[in-house]
Amino acid sequence: DAGITQSPRHKVTETGTPVTLRCHQTENHRYMYWYRQDPGHGLRLIHYSYGVKDTDKGEVSDGYSVSRSKTEDFLLTLESATSSQTSVYFCAISTQGSNTEAFFGQGTRLTVV
Amino acid sequence: GIQVEQSPPDLILQEGANSTLRCNFSDSVNNLQWFHQNPWGQLINLFYIPSGTKQNGRLSATTVATERYSLLYISSSQTTDSGVYFCAGRGSGAGSYQLTFGKGTKLSVIP
Repeated sequence: DAGITQSPRHKVTETGTPVTLRCHQTENHRYMYWYRQDPGHGLRLIHYSYGVKDTDKGEVSDGYSVSRSKTEDFLLTLESATSSQTSVYFCAISTQGSNTEAFFGQGTRLTVV
Repeated sequence: GIQVEQSPPDLILQEGANSTLRCNFSDSVNNLQWFHQNPWGQLINLFYIPSGTKQNGRLSATTVATERYSLLYISSSQTTDSGVYFCAGRGSGAGSYQLTFGKGTKLSVIP
């Protein structure tokens, strides 16, 4: 276990409502990532962070925002959830950006109805 | 960014059989990992292997970085090996923070 906790683990929400997913790490790793997993697409990067208050967009960032006010917490917000954002969301951490191993949390299953 | 292709997409094995899963990359990578996603959805790290060969029990992996591919070997397969196997890599330069995943190989091991 890489010391990554995602919350909630499951959530059902209505279209148009805001949703925040939390990733908490106990490893003091600098880099944190949010991915989504959809059938036929594998895992795709939404946003990542390379330090407190330092974030950047990934491949599928539209409709999502992130914040990192502390090293250990990385929040993913869906400002106004849509059905296309129904997915499984994974948080990941790594010590460096490129040449190190990444570890994943257990995932959050989000359903937007 | 880089493209990652995995083959085969699906594989059915009799328990005890051996298998080889392949991962091809469109460009050079400086970080390559293999994961196993179990039936409960958890992503388990198998290997971090930018180059060379590593072994862990019945599993081993080889990455030939100059030829842009990696192989995962599973020997004497067991039903607990079932699940989806992903490889993922990071390119160099712009986008190097992004771990790009293949679409996976779904392995079913039957008794």
